Amino acid sequence: DTEVTQTPKHLVMGMTNKKSLKCEQHMGHRAMYWYKQKAKKPPELMFVYSYEKLSINESVPSRFSPECPNSSLLNLHLHALQPEDSALYLCASSRTFPGHFSPLHFGNGTRLTVT
Amino acid sequence: GDSVTQMEGPVTLSEEAFLTINCTYTATGYPSLFWYVQYPGEGLQLLLKATKADDKGSNKGFEATYRKETTSFHLEKGSVQVSDSAVYFCALTGAFAIYNQGGKLIFGQGTELSVKP
Repeated sequence: DTEVTQTPKHLVMGMTNKKSLKCEQHMGHRAMYWYKQKAKKPPELMFVYSYEKLSINESVPSRFSPECPNSSLLNLHLHALQPEDSALYLCASSRTFPGHFSPLHFGNGTRLTVT
Repeated sequence: GDSVTQMEGPVTLSEEAFLTINCTYTATGYPSLFWYVQYPGEGLQLLLKATKADDKGSNKGFEATYRKETTSFHLEKGSVQVSDSAVYFCALTGAFAIYNQGGKLIFGQGTELSVKP
């Protein structure tokens, strides 16, 4: 069982919809991440939060809006997405960031389809 | 900048065969090295790690040794099972964040393994 929980598991949304992805961890980790993954490719980093502050934004389009309400929760708000945004969205956490000795723990992801 | 190169897949093996997935890296200093595994329909799981030269990481019958002289971290398993079918990612975090894109986890391209009964 993964220690990082993501909801929902699957999401289908139209290009005019607004939806949110949610992620939760209770390992006391102070760094949380959003990744986007296309089929059989490595995950691509989108955002990093360290101590609830946005640390890295990998030039992600503004239609993706992250939020970190507290040290255990991470949200990704979606608005006006494009079909090419369809992918597996993975949340991860680690003890610290940067974390040379701190491996990432991943959730099972949200499979997003934009129609 | 830091980078990871993995052997291309897919790799197809028969059950009980010996597995090697090659991974080499380029990094400044002494990075930490990781193998992650992704089973179908799931997220990534940490399989094993090594944080200094000559360390051997091991888990679930898989092993990898941090070789500084060859900048390699090859994944091996003596006898694979059908349940090992997955995509395997080699990854690193650099010792110096300034050279490692701010301390990010750098992934290889992944190697798909398919084990036939």
